[in-house]
This record gives sequence, structure tokens and C-alpha cells, in this order.
Amino acid sequence: DSGVTQTPKHLITATGQRVTLRCSPRSGDLSVYWYQQSLDQGLQFLIQYYNGEERAKGNILERFSAQQFPDLHSELNLSSLELGDSALYFCASSPSGGVSYNEQFFGPGTRLTVL
Amino acid sequence: GQNIDQPTEMTATEGAIVQINCTYQTSGFNGLFWYQQHAGEAPTFLSYNVLDGLEEKGRFSSFLSRSKGYSYLLLKELQMKDSASYLCAVRDNQGGKLIFGQGTELSVKP
Repeated sequence: DSGVTQTPKHLITATGQRVTLRCSPRSGDLSVYWYQQSLDQGLQFLIQYYNGEERAKGNILERFSAQQFPDLHSELNLSSLELGDSALYFCASSPSGGVSYNEQFFGPGTRLTVL
Repeated sequence: GQNIDQPTEMTATEGAIVQINCTYQTSGFNGLFWYQQHAGEAPTFLSYNVLDGLEEKGRFSSFLSRSKGYSYLLLKELQMKDSASYLCAVRDNQGGKLIFGQGTELSVKP
């Protein structure tokens, strides 16, 4: 158990819908990272927040957005869902913003299926 | 650009030693990580290298050559439970995001 929690564990929805994935980092960790893992691609970085502020952006679609709240939990919002958005979505946390050595601890993931 | 290459799959025998290679070309570098991932589960941290050389941790060792853009993960005394995907990831120097390779699927046979 990494100490990172994600809800829900599974999500099945239809094309065109909107969903929210939630992540609670390990106690004391300030950075939250979101990654997408689909069958034909490896883990792809989406976005990072550090202490409430967006720190880095990766291959995140405009239909996707995220935020980090004052209690440091984060939400990833996916809208106008397409079949290709079906994937495992992982959240990871680390104590700092990435300047010094800190491994990222991954949550169990949310499996999203878009029908 | 960002490019991380590792073999797609490897097979080894229980009790043997296996080396998984990773080559990278990234615009920034702030350390190289190896993660283990069982199907459908979260990646779990195995090792970290930021300086050239070998880091040993029990049955697992990892090597880095920054000038060659090369790393390997060495697994000794293989066990059946080591069957998993092994992910090589480079941390960039802006914010700390990880750039992952496609992963190497390792099958350990009796």
C-alpha cells in the first residue's frame, strides 16, 4: 500500500459523458501527478500540481482538466468522453516538486471504460 | 524530443539472472527510475540512479551511464513472482514528471 488513494476503482460510462477521478496523496506530499496508461501506449504523463498550483503539463487533451485543492487532494475531470479514453488512470505523489530525489508513489489507479 | 527504448518482452528461467536494457534521449535529465508493474496494478518503485555507476538493492541492481544515455536493471536469483512489466523512466528537470518507456514484459519460467 503506497498511501496514495484513488476513487473510484472502476468506472464504466458512455461516449460523450463527463467523469471525475479523485486522488488523495500520501500524507505530507505536496506534488500530485496524473498519468494515463492505455493498452497500446505506456504510461503517459498528463499533468502535475504542486501545493495547489499547476507545475507541468504533458500530453493532456483540452477535454481533460485537473485541479488540486487546499487539502492537497486532486481531481481529474474528463469530458466529452471518447472510446479512446478508455485506460487506466494513475495518480502519483511525491514530497517535493521534483527538484531533489524523491520517488513517486503510485495509487492503485482508476480503470475507465467508455462504451 | 523524448525517446526511451527498452525491449518489449524477455523470457528467463527461475533462479537465473536477467538484464533489461534501457536507452534514452530526453531534453532534460534529473534521474532514472525503474518500476515494476504487475498487470492491472500500480507501478512500484525498484531503483533510482542519478550518477553514473551501479546501485545495488538486494536481488536488484541498476546501472546508469549518462554519457551513453543507457541504463540496465539486473535481476538475480529470479523467482516466479518476478514475472511482470519493468518500466524505465527518466525524470525531467522541470517539475519532476516521469517519462516512461513502453515497458519490458518479463516472463519467468520454471
